Amino acid sequence: GQNIDQPTEMTATEGAIVQINCTYQTSGFNGLFWYQQHAGEAPTFLSYNVLDGLEEKGRFSSFLSRSKGYSYLLLKELQMKDSASYLCAVRGYSTLTFGKGTMLLVSP
Amino acid sequence: GAVVSQHPSWVICKSGTSVKIECRSLDFQATTMFWYRQFPKQSLMLMATSNEGSKATYEQGVEKDKFLINHASLTLSTLTVTSAHPEDSSFYICSASSAGGPADTQYFGPGTRLTVL
Repeated sequence: GQNIDQPTEMTATEGAIVQINCTYQTSGFNGLFWYQQHAGEAPTFLSYNVLDGLEEKGRFSSFLSRSKGYSYLLLKELQMKDSASYLCAVRGYSTLTFGKGTMLLVSP
Repeated sequence: GAVVSQHPSWVICKSGTSVKIECRSLDFQATTMFWYRQFPKQSLMLMATSNEGSKATYEQGVEKDKFLINHASLTLSTLTVTSAHPEDSSFYICSASSAGGPADTQYFGPGTRLTVL
C-alpha cells in the first residue's frame, strides 16, 4: 500500500523561505510529484523527482531521498499568492497517490 | 501546452438524476485519463483510471455501475454519476497524462463542483 505523510498546516511571512516535508512508504516507486492547489481549484504541477537530489525551478525547489522515503518542497521569496495547499504525490507501480496536502498561509 | 478542460465547471441537480461530466485534453493526446474526487479539506482520491478504447479500472470501493466512465477518443473522457444522491456532492477532477511530460506527468482539469439537492 501507499502511505504519504505531510504537515497539515504551515505559516510563513512574505519574503521568507519555507520548507514543506513529505515522507512516504510505498510499494514500488516511480517518482514523486509536488502540486499546488488553490482553494476550489484543481492542482497544478510544480515539480517531479525520480532520482535523489535537488531539482530547482525558479523560486521552487524539490528534494528527494529515496533511501529515506523523504522529499521536501522549498519555496523562496514567498509571495501572498503562494498561499495554497501543497500536495505531495507518489507514483507507485501504476497509479499516483496523493498526500492530504499542506495548507500554507503566507502573511504580510 | 498540456491543457485539460472540464465541463461543466459546476452543476446542481436533484437527487435521483444523472449528471455527465466531460474531460478533454485540448492540445495533446491522452491515452490515459484519471478521475478523482475531493471532499472539502481532504486529499484527492482516485476513483478510476481510464484508457482510450477499453474499460476503466476502478479503485476499491468505487461503484462502477454508479460512476460510468467512457473514454471513446484520445482527447475525451466522460464521467456519468447515475442516480445522484446528496452524498455524491463533491469536487470531481480529471487529469490526463501527457506523453511528452516527465514520467507521464498528470495535468489536471479545472474540476467540476457537483451539488446534489
